[in-house]
Amino acid sequence: ETGVTQTPRHLVMGMTNKKSLKCEQHLGHNAMYWYKQSAKKPLELMFVYSLEERVENNSVPSRFSPECPNSSHLFLHLHTLQPEDSALYLCASSPLTEATNEKLFFGSGTQLSVL
Amino acid sequence: DAKTTQPTSMDCAEGRAANLPCNHSTISGNEYVYWYRQIHSQGPQYIIHGLKNNETNEMASLIITEDRKSSTLILPHATLRDTAVYYCIAQYNTDKLIFGTGTRLQVFP
Repeated sequence: ETGVTQTPRHLVMGMTNKKSLKCEQHLGHNAMYWYKQSAKKPLELMFVYSLEERVENNSVPSRFSPECPNSSHLFLHLHTLQPEDSALYLCASSPLTEATNEKLFFGSGTQLSVL
Repeated sequence: DAKTTQPTSMDCAEGRAANLPCNHSTISGNEYVYWYRQIHSQGPQYIIHGLKNNETNEMASLIITEDRKSSTLILPHATLRDTAVYYCIAQYNTDKLIFGTGTRLQVFP
């Protein structure tokens, strides 16, 4: 148990659906991240939030919309996805300190299948 | 961020030490070496990190060569639960941690 909880654990959705992935941490961290891991590919960083402000958006299509209402919660809103968006979506958090070498704590991920 | 090179896969017998190498020949002076692992269908788990000196914690030891161009992660007594993909990352700042393809370690009975 890492202290980062993601729900749902599995999600199947059609291309016209709208769904949201949720991530919650109670570690007192101020930075949160979304990563995508497609089959047999490395993890790709999607979004970074620092103190609830988005500080990184790695050319992610607009059909993925992140939201960080407070430092403990992070959402990824999904709409009109494509089958190639099927992947494991991972949330992570880390402390926001002056140190540059903080650990990232990952959730177990949401396995998304787009039909 | 320095590029890292790791073997695609390795095997290790249960109870033996697993030594996972990583090459980071272009590492700069302020970049740390981090190791994470990912057990199948779970999120990556932090293992250890270091800058210059060798490091040890309850999970593993990290040996960094004097020129810092390579390192080795050592799991002293591998168990079946250590079967995972192990990622070596050389970066200064972890706020945008970039993962490569890693080494798939298979521990066999």
